[in-house]
Amino acid sequence: DSGVTQTPKHLITATGQRVTLRCSPRSGDLSVYWYQQSLDQGLQFLIQYYNGEERAKGNILERFSAQQFPDLHSELNLSSLELGDSALYFCASSVESRTGGAKNIQYFGAGTRLSVL
Amino acid sequence: AQSVAQPEDQVNVAEGNPLTVKCTYSVSGNPYLFWYVQYPNRGLQFLLKYITGDNLVKGSYGFEAEFNKSQTSFHLKKPSALVSDSALYFCAVRDWGTGFQKLVFGTGTRLLVSP
Repeated sequence: DSGVTQTPKHLITATGQRVTLRCSPRSGDLSVYWYQQSLDQGLQFLIQYYNGEERAKGNILERFSAQQFPDLHSELNLSSLELGDSALYFCASSVESRTGGAKNIQYFGAGTRLSVL
Repeated sequence: AQSVAQPEDQVNVAEGNPLTVKCTYSVSGNPYLFWYVQYPNRGLQFLLKYITGDNLVKGSYGFEAEFNKSQTSFHLKKPSALVSDSALYFCAVRDWGTGFQKLVFGTGTRLLVSP
């Protein structure tokens, strides 16, 4: 068990809908990362938060957004869903500080499998 | 930008034989390299990392990896494979700069260990 909790495990929804994925990081970790795993794109970085602040954006669509709350849990919001958004979404956490910590390990949750029908 | 490549989609090995899963990297500056394993319906589990120091890194479940700067490689190895090692393996490099420290993953290598 990595200590990173993601809910729900599975989501089935229809095109055009909006969903929210939740992530609780390991105790003490201030950084949260979101990744998308799909068959055609592989594992891709979406967005990073550090202690409530957005730190970096990757290949995240404008229809997607995220936030990190004061208790450090994070939510990834996906809206106007399309068939191509079907994927496994991972959250990872790490103890990085504001300016360092590249050497630190990212611990991954079990993921949320999103199926858009 | 930092990147890694995994040239093999799949590696087949018999139980008890040594295994190697290949990874090459392209980075500017010092590479921070990682191996993760993904079992079916599970998240990614950290196996080992190379930051600096000894070129042979030991990790979880008997895995080790050899960092080779001249060949820009970071191959994952295990002396004796188990059927339970069958999984999807990802090599990753830390892409870091001001404000971000994301992982950049390879395409993954499926390891099949036959009894």
